[in-house]
Amino acid sequence: GAVVSQHPSWVICKSGTSVKIECRSLDFQATTMFWYRQFPKQSLMLMATSNEGSKATYEQGVEKDKFLINHASLTLSTLTVTSAHPEDSSFYICSVRAALYEQYFGPGTRLTVT
Amino acid sequence: AQKITQTQPGMFVQEKEAVTLDCTYDTSDQSYGLFWYKQPSSGEMIFLIYQGSYDEQNATEGRYSLNFQKARKSANLVISASQLGDSAMYFCAMREGRGYSTLTFGKGTMLLVSP
Repeated sequence: GAVVSQHPSWVICKSGTSVKIECRSLDFQATTMFWYRQFPKQSLMLMATSNEGSKATYEQGVEKDKFLINHASLTLSTLTVTSAHPEDSSFYICSVRAALYEQYFGPGTRLTVT
Repeated sequence: AQKITQTQPGMFVQEKEAVTLDCTYDTSDQSYGLFWYKQPSSGEMIFLIYQGSYDEQNATEGRYSLNFQKARKSANLVISASQLGDSAMYFCAMREGRGYSTLTFGKGTMLLVSP
């Protein structure tokens, strides 16, 4: 399967600042990547679908101006949490669509906003 | 209605025993796929097994097998010969339709394997 990395693995930031999370597909050219959010002891919730060279598709209820997604190359998608607040503290996971029915997940990024 | 239901918040099993994790799903599509993922405490989602709606045989991958009962809309994961390293959160997920679609996850089941 595809190897996916995320950076940073964890980050602490102050309320009001912006944080950028990178998702890299190390051995596969990914035209489509996904961003999920997982609150403690809860399931993964899809935030958006990131397509290389085009605008991301956001799920209902996800603020696109707050969660900026850029998929500038076939190996890199970034998620920027703008003006972060404590309620944005969560585990953010990206995945790569490697084939029609296959997704491979990154190790996740734990964001804590103080 | 929830598309994926995992009714067991937590399960305990002794090492070397088999365990079944339940998953029921709800879809009106004829073509769909069912997945199981394992999430250890590190957080990474590890793909375990996949079952397509048209697959006639139950999927198997090593110690993992999927008990697919289409009429009952259930896709239970069976782990044989449990190991301590199997302790983790397990998620059932579904994609719907023929073309590519996104995954919908259940709430998960925490499995603890004791020596």
